[in-house]
Amino acid sequence: DAGVIQSPRHEVTEMGQEVTLRCKPISGHDYLFWYRQTMMRGLELLIYFNNNVPIDDSGMPEDRFSAKMPNASFSTLKIQPSEPRDSAVYFCASSPSGTGDQPQHFGDGTRLSIL
Amino acid sequence: QKEVEQNSGPLSVPEGAIASLNCTYSDRGSQSFFWYRQYSGKSPELIMFIYSNGDKEDGRFTAQLNKASQYVSLLIRDSQPSDSATYLCAVIGSAGNMLTFGGGTRLMVKP
Repeated sequence: DAGVIQSPRHEVTEMGQEVTLRCKPISGHDYLFWYRQTMMRGLELLIYFNNNVPIDDSGMPEDRFSAKMPNASFSTLKIQPSEPRDSAVYFCASSPSGTGDQPQHFGDGTRLSIL
Repeated sequence: QKEVEQNSGPLSVPEGAIASLNCTYSDRGSQSFFWYRQYSGKSPELIMFIYSNGDKEDGRFTAQLNKASQYVSLLIRDSQPSDSATYLCAVIGSAGNMLTFGGGTRLMVKP
């Protein structure tokens, strides 16, 4: 089975540019999660969706960040405008349920560097 | 106070020894507890989960949960150099579906 697929794997861009990260969850998984990982703050949940609907976006750092899930097989995380402090590894994960009895499966991540 | 706390390490153990990784959490209503392993430059992968007080064994791994003390641990028996990684404790709290991760403990197994 294909796992969670993220693209791009690496992104280097200049401050002020728009960045779009993409995620394809595992087929049949109703929950999709976006995380950010840095050395200083560890792994933080940004937002999660259930059946394509955003449920909790309290972890989104500010209005420059937005996430969408137009259908069950695709989600985007957008940063506009980007800033150097956004540099991090961004992970997408999916899960069949949100009750905790099913683990989250992580994609390989996007390593983002904002110059 | 962080919701899920781990000693950052590094925890260094010799090959063949037992590695003991610990985690405490603040939400007393938490019901689900997970251990993820993350190799450098890779994504987290689930290795154990536990819901009930007591021990749960899976091969060389044993997860231990004590809800009264709000404490969960992971024991790795017969540690191998390939076990060297960062181990992340994660908890689903009483609020619902969100995983809260600890900062991770870096384990080093020396040959």
